[in-house]
Amino acid sequence: GQSLEQPSEVTAVEGAIVQINCTYQTSGFYGLSWYQQHDGGAPTFLSYNALDGLEETGRFSSFLSRSDSYGYLLLQELQMKDSASYFCAVPLRGALTFGSGTRLQVQP
Amino acid sequence: DADVTQTPRNRITKTGKRIMLECSQTKGHDRMYWYRQDPGLGLRLIYYSFDVKDINKGEISDGYSVSRQAQAKFSLSLESAIPNQTALYFCATSVGQEYGYTFGSGTRLTVV
Repeated sequence: GQSLEQPSEVTAVEGAIVQINCTYQTSGFYGLSWYQQHDGGAPTFLSYNALDGLEETGRFSSFLSRSDSYGYLLLQELQMKDSASYFCAVPLRGALTFGSGTRLQVQP
Repeated sequence: DADVTQTPRNRITKTGKRIMLECSQTKGHDRMYWYRQDPGLGLRLIYYSFDVKDINKGEISDGYSVSRQAQAKFSLSLESAIPNQTALYFCATSVGQEYGYTFGSGTRLTVV
């Protein structure tokens, strides 16, 4: 089996940097993904890490440490539109299993 | 048109009724998935399919069935709806996890 742990809620101010952590327990490891979901919307794919290190895509970066079974999503220069839920996910037998999500509130 | 289309968008049904949620995709991907989302519980996998002849149970398949009518179509049925199946249901498609899943807009189902 597998499980993913991430904080339920994070609050930050506009323009700041925020880090959303995810720890996972899996019987095998095949990559860590991140998704964003705005209220009432569909989840959208943000990033995928298969190897250790930092992957940067614009204001968003994702980090993975396989030895620590840990990853994080880093959001820089926060904007109000970044207020959303963020999910980490790992595959189990070919289909993604999602964490419970971290709700990010960006304040002015 | 959306890459992944789910119908209906909203549905209210009575306990014991059979209901079908439909999903179609224009991405040309072989892999399709059905997830359920409840507040605070994230997305939970119901069924998934890697091609027309392949159907796999997910974490919470009891009370649900699926049909993969074509590469582009994957429908989810609730054989006898019960109130705790009230949730937001998402269909998704992918070519592989490294390229991300594309989700539909969801079907909000209420069982009364």
